[in-house]
Amino acid sequence: DQQVKQNSPSLSVQEGRISILNCDYTNSMFDYFLWYKKYPAEGPTFLISISSIKDKNEDGRFTVFLNKSAKHLSLHIVPSQPGDSAVYFCAASTKSGGSNYKLTFGKGTLLTVNP
Amino acid sequence: GAVVSQHPSRVICKSGTSVKIECRSLDFQATTMFWYRQFPKQSLMLMATSNEGSKATYEQGVEKDKFLINHASLTLSTLTVTSAHPEDSSFYICSAKGAKNIQYFGAGTRLSVL
Repeated sequence: DQQVKQNSPSLSVQEGRISILNCDYTNSMFDYFLWYKKYPAEGPTFLISISSIKDKNEDGRFTVFLNKSAKHLSLHIVPSQPGDSAVYFCAASTKSGGSNYKLTFGKGTLLTVNP
Repeated sequence: GAVVSQHPSRVICKSGTSVKIECRSLDFQATTMFWYRQFPKQSLMLMATSNEGSKATYEQGVEKDKFLINHASLTLSTLTVTSAHPEDSSFYICSAKGAKNIQYFGAGTRLSVL
């Protein structure tokens, strides 16, 4: 059972436009969410996170929105750049069960930004 | 900061041999490290949580005798795939928990068992 779902396997946008990557989750115990970016043959790189007590977190071109009632979060990248082309993973964790903060990942969305 | 080094990046071995993968946090101490496995076009699946100085906690369905984890110091965790078989071929990736409970990942190890 996939607790974190990224229903779009791929997304293509034009350089300079906004990229919106979506993520849904089913476990209401999740209270911390992260986005990672992954290039081929490299490990995921942390991008941005958000706690469940917030509904928005912004860092430069990246903004994450959280809608707890809908169990949905999204990552906005604006303006998109060709170097943003990568696989983006949504991940979620819960503080229950100790302080290890285990992550549950979605399957990822391949973003392609066209020049 | 927050660099995690994983070695080797690629290993090819014969069936029945054991393979050790190292995960090091280079510029921070990590009391907790994680080991994941990723199949093609799938998400990263957590295999086990490794805490320094104690036994690893394995996820359901992961054989602890097959995947030996040692976290002997605050900067090093190792995963040994014992008596590897072709079905163990996969992409293995580690992470280390840093500040603000963010996990920082290594570059991964591509294991191919012939």
